[in-house]
Amino acid sequence: DSGVTQTPKHLITATGQRVTLRCSPRSGDLSVYWYQQSLDQGLQFLIQYYNGEERAKGNILERFSAQQFPDLHSELNLSSLELGDSALYFCASSVGTGVYGYTFGSGTRLTVV
Amino acid sequence: GENVEQHPSTLSVQEGDSAVIKCTYSDSASNYFPWYKQELGKRPQLIIDIRSNVGEKKDQRIAVTLNKTAKHFSLHITETQPEDSAVYFCAANTNQAGTALIFGKGTTLSVSS
Repeated sequence: DSGVTQTPKHLITATGQRVTLRCSPRSGDLSVYWYQQSLDQGLQFLIQYYNGEERAKGNILERFSAQQFPDLHSELNLSSLELGDSALYFCASSVGTGVYGYTFGSGTRLTVV
Repeated sequence: GENVEQHPSTLSVQEGDSAVIKCTYSDSASNYFPWYKQELGKRPQLIIDIRSNVGEKKDQRIAVTLNKTAKHFSLHITETQPEDSAVYFCAANTNQAGTALIFGKGTTLSVSS
């Protein structure tokens, strides 16, 4: 167990729908990073939050949004889902704003049908 | 944007042979280069990392080398074992992604006995 908790583990939904993925970082970690992993694209960085504030954006679509709450858990919201959004979504956490000690959760597998 | 390129995409070796995976990066400000191992259906796990003030680092059968001038770094696995079979990802931090890690597309290593 890495200490980073992601729920749910699996999610199946229809095109056009909206889903929310949840991540609780390791105790003491203030940064949360979201990644999308599809078969041919590897691990794509989506967005980073640090202590409640958005810190950096990667290749995140406008249909996707995220936030980090006062208790430091983070949610990734995916809307108007398309078949191509089917992927594994990982979050990772680290202590501060640096990348040392980056630890991944077990991921949420999203299937859009 | 900043990216990390990784080669080869697949690598097959016999048990006991060595395996080498190479990555190049584009951001000259990158100073942290971790390697992650991902077994099927599991989360990526850190196996070794190197910082820019070091040229080489070893941990038992695994070593990483860094050439900052050429902007490339490599993972070396000696005396490979079947349990080394997995997908390996290199990564680098980049200023453009804040403090997030940008990953290569991965190398699928197969070790046959």
